[in-house]
Amino acid sequence: AQTVTQSQPEMSVQEAETVTLSCTYDTSENNYYLFWYKQPPSRQMILVIRQEAYKQQNATENRFSVNFQKAAKSFSLKISDSQLGDTAMYFCAFMKRENNAGNMLTFGGGTRLMVKP
Amino acid sequence: EAGVAQSPRYKIIEKRQSVAFWCNPISGHATLYWYQQILGQGPKLLIQFQNNGVVDDSQLPKDRFSAERLKGVDSTLKIQPAKLEDSAVYLCASSLVAGAAYNEQFFGPGTRLTVL
Repeated sequence: AQTVTQSQPEMSVQEAETVTLSCTYDTSENNYYLFWYKQPPSRQMILVIRQEAYKQQNATENRFSVNFQKAAKSFSLKISDSQLGDTAMYFCAFMKRENNAGNMLTFGGGTRLMVKP
Repeated sequence: EAGVAQSPRYKIIEKRQSVAFWCNPISGHATLYWYQQILGQGPKLLIQFQNNGVVDDSQLPKDRFSAERLKGVDSTLKIQPAKLEDSAVYLCASSLVAGAAYNEQFFGPGTRLTVL
């Protein structure tokens, strides 16, 4: 079984500054995906960024980038130029890459991020 | 393109009562997931359907929870009887198909259940 751990329950950052959210995971799998999801107060989970474990290059989506350290099983999210709209819960998640129909997401406990004006 | 629809958005019931939640996935999405998100925690998968067949229900408390997806489109999740610890947000998600090729899971807005 996989486990995902987010050790920072809450974080805050000033608008326009940079913040890094941490995530570690444990798995015996070699092929998998890692994700960061954003959940605003509306509760709708929104995919922020995806990393494929077989790719060494870190994924980047505009202001969002990850630092993927496969050997250390670490997957942090960096948000640059933080905006007020980034205020939300952020969840790190793991998915095995399988040939059958099983594609469940295993989530961490979340980090509440507040962006201050 | 319409997203994943869920209803109701909120539900308050007494313990031992029954409750049902409804989910309509994105058109054409063969795979449907129900997650339970207890306050302060990340979502946990309850059940996964591929069309109208169950792929994984290993974490579904089958003594009180049931789910169906009869025509391979919309789905209902039922709790009977409810317990206090069932208070949570129930999220539905869908994807085109599950398999080795990645297909993004799209989430609905969830149903917040409060059991008193």
